[in-house]
Amino acid sequence: TQLLEQSPQFLSIQEGENLTVYCNSSSVFSSLQWYRQEPGEGPVLLVTVVTGGEVKKLKRLTFQFGDARKDSSLHITAAQPGDTGLYLCAGTGGTSYGKLTFGQGTILTVHP
Amino acid sequence: DAGITQSPRHKVTETGTPVTLRCHQTENHRYMYWYRQDPGHGLRLIHYSYGVKDTDKGEVSDGYSVSRSKTEDFLLTLESATSSQTSVYFCAIRKGTSSYEQYFGPGTRLTVT
Repeated sequence: TQLLEQSPQFLSIQEGENLTVYCNSSSVFSSLQWYRQEPGEGPVLLVTVVTGGEVKKLKRLTFQFGDARKDSSLHITAAQPGDTGLYLCAGTGGTSYGKLTFGQGTILTVHP
Repeated sequence: DAGITQSPRHKVTETGTPVTLRCHQTENHRYMYWYRQDPGHGLRLIHYSYGVKDTDKGEVSDGYSVSRSKTEDFLLTLESATSSQTSVYFCAIRKGTSSYEQYFGPGTRLTVT
């Protein structure tokens, strides 16, 4: 069974601060995805990383996939209140059925 | 918008009663998934489907069954609801077979009293 450990579970910061969320595993993943979820809604895909060492940027969000494809990080620069939400990482081992394993999630609160 | 709807959106039921949740998609995707979301656990896979009448268990399938008689509908049934099944249930689809990205419905909040 593949497990993803996400940290921290809770993050409360002021507007303008930077933050990093980590997603770690002892297993190798074929790809890893990051989702953002707001209360009362389903998760929304932010990015997919598939290559070891890959870095993707989405405006103020930077996603990195570890060289060994066992870990990933999400870095937000100059956080804004609109970034508030639950961030989830999810990985797949590459089976044809596309099953995902999710981390526990990080609840981010950005105060104005 | 992945064209996924879930019904009902909210339900309160009593212990021991059967409950069926419906997931409907409009884009004829082959793969569909049911997850439950509980605090501190992220999302956990209950069952998934890879085609009409083709389904398999996920990591937390005990107490749940599924059916897929049409491409567009994936039903999740709690045969005899228990309080431990109080949760938010999400359906997801996977677009194609070359990508592992999943797209989620709006969820069903189920409370078992």
